[in-house]
Amino acid sequence: DVKVTQSSRYLVKRTGEKVFLECVQDMDHENMFWYRQDPGLGLRLIYFSYDVKMKEKGDIPEGYSVSREKKERFSLILESASTNQTSMYLCASRNPDRYSPLHFGNGTRLTVT
Amino acid sequence: AQTVTQSQPEMSVQEAETVTLSCTYDTSENNYYLFWYKQPPSRQMILVIRQEAYKQQNATENRFSVNFQKAAKSFSLKISDSQLGDTAMYFCAFMKLGSEKLVFGKGTKLTVNP
Repeated sequence: DVKVTQSSRYLVKRTGEKVFLECVQDMDHENMFWYRQDPGLGLRLIYFSYDVKMKEKGDIPEGYSVSREKKERFSLILESASTNQTSMYLCASRNPDRYSPLHFGNGTRLTVT
Repeated sequence: AQTVTQSQPEMSVQEAETVTLSCTYDTSENNYYLFWYKQPPSRQMILVIRQEAYKQQNATENRFSVNFQKAAKSFSLKISDSQLGDTAMYFCAFMKLGSEKLVFGKGTKLTVNP
């Protein structure tokens, strides 16, 4: 089975801190994604990566950046955390063949105070 | 841009009964894929079922089946013989052919009551 591991389940940070959310997948998937989940808004795509060092903006990239130095690892970076970035963050991966589903991690609930 | 609408924020059903979750989408594409994902309280998002738009036959996975109406742009999920473990958030998602982006609906919270 595909395993997508997010390094933290819960995280509390202060406003202005630089925050790193880490995600690792073990199935050699080419594509990796970061979503943000908020009640009543569903899942919104922040960034995705289709290869090492390659990235593309999603629907809500403002205030975030990403890093993919190795195929199995995809990091989401909050350069200067703000309270409106308090949310659930979900990492996912998939292969780019046309019918392949997303495989998700367990999520990181981030609170910015 | 594609949009996915789940018109039922919350639903409940008695154990062993059948429930249908609705999903509509808006697209000008002809080739695409549709998915239903389940997110139980443990937060792990799990694929429930998927459908290719060019296939007429509705997908089925054990107690889960879909009613795919391409002309109406509707993709509802039917859960038969509901079980307590079906309690979860359910998300409908759309992906056009050649894209890597899934567009999700806002979700339906389903509670199965004993």
